Amino acid sequence: AQSVTQPDIHITVSEGASLELRCNYSYGATPYLFWYVQSPGQGLQLLLKYFSGDTLVQGIKGFEAEFKRSQSSFNLRKPSVHWSDAAEYFCAVALMEYGNKLVFGAGTILRVKS
Amino acid sequence: EPEVTQTPSHQVTQMGQEVILRCVPISNHLYFYWYRQILGQKVEFLVSFYNNEISEKSEIFDDQFSVERPDGSNFTLKIRSTKLEDSAMYFCASTSRNYGYTFGSGTRLTVV
Repeated sequence: AQSVTQPDIHITVSEGASLELRCNYSYGATPYLFWYVQSPGQGLQLLLKYFSGDTLVQGIKGFEAEFKRSQSSFNLRKPSVHWSDAAEYFCAVALMEYGNKLVFGAGTILRVKS
Repeated sequence: EPEVTQTPSHQVTQMGQEVILRCVPISNHLYFYWYRQILGQKVEFLVSFYNNEISEKSEIFDDQFSVERPDGSNFTLKIRSTKLEDSAMYFCASTSRNYGYTFGSGTRLTVV
C-alpha cells in the first residue's frame, strides 16, 4: 500500500544546532516529493519540492532536502535552526501525473530550545 | 504571489446544520482539492475536482459531503448535516502543471 512515514513525532533541538527531519515513502514508482511547514493554527506553507534532476533541493527559510532513491527517503535539513523554525513539518508525496492528490505524512513537531 | 483564499476563517455551527465552506483557487489552476485536519492529527485528503467533476474522493467523503464550482472562481465544500466529528480545519488547495500545490489558510469548523 502507498504510504508516507515520518518516524519522529517530536524533535527538540537547540537554537543554532543542525536539524534533520526524516521522511520515507512507499510507492510503486518515485513520486513527486514535498515538505510543508505549519505554525499553530495556520495554513500549510510549501518549503520545497522535488520532481526530478538534482537530488539536493533548496527551499525557503534556509531548508534543503535530499532525495535518496535507494532508501525511498526525502529528508529535510537545516544547518542552523532558529527559534522561529518551531512548527510542525509535513512530508507529502504525489504520484507523477498532473492532478494527483497529495498524501501527507503524520508530521513532526519541532521544538527549539534556547 | 497568487493565493488560495478561504472563507470564513472560523465557523461555529450546531450539530445537524448544513455548512458551506468557500474557496477561491488560483485562477489558472485546473485541479482543486479539499483536505481536512482534525486537531492534532495529519492532513487527510477528502476530494479532488477537475473539469467540473470529482476526479477522486476518499472514504471520508461520504454522502454528507458535496463539492461544487458554482461560478468561474469559487469552489465550495458543503456538509449537509454536521456531526461533532466533523470539527476540524478544512483546507482548500489548487495545483498547476508545475505541481505547485498551493493551500489556503484554512477554515476552522467547530460543531457544537
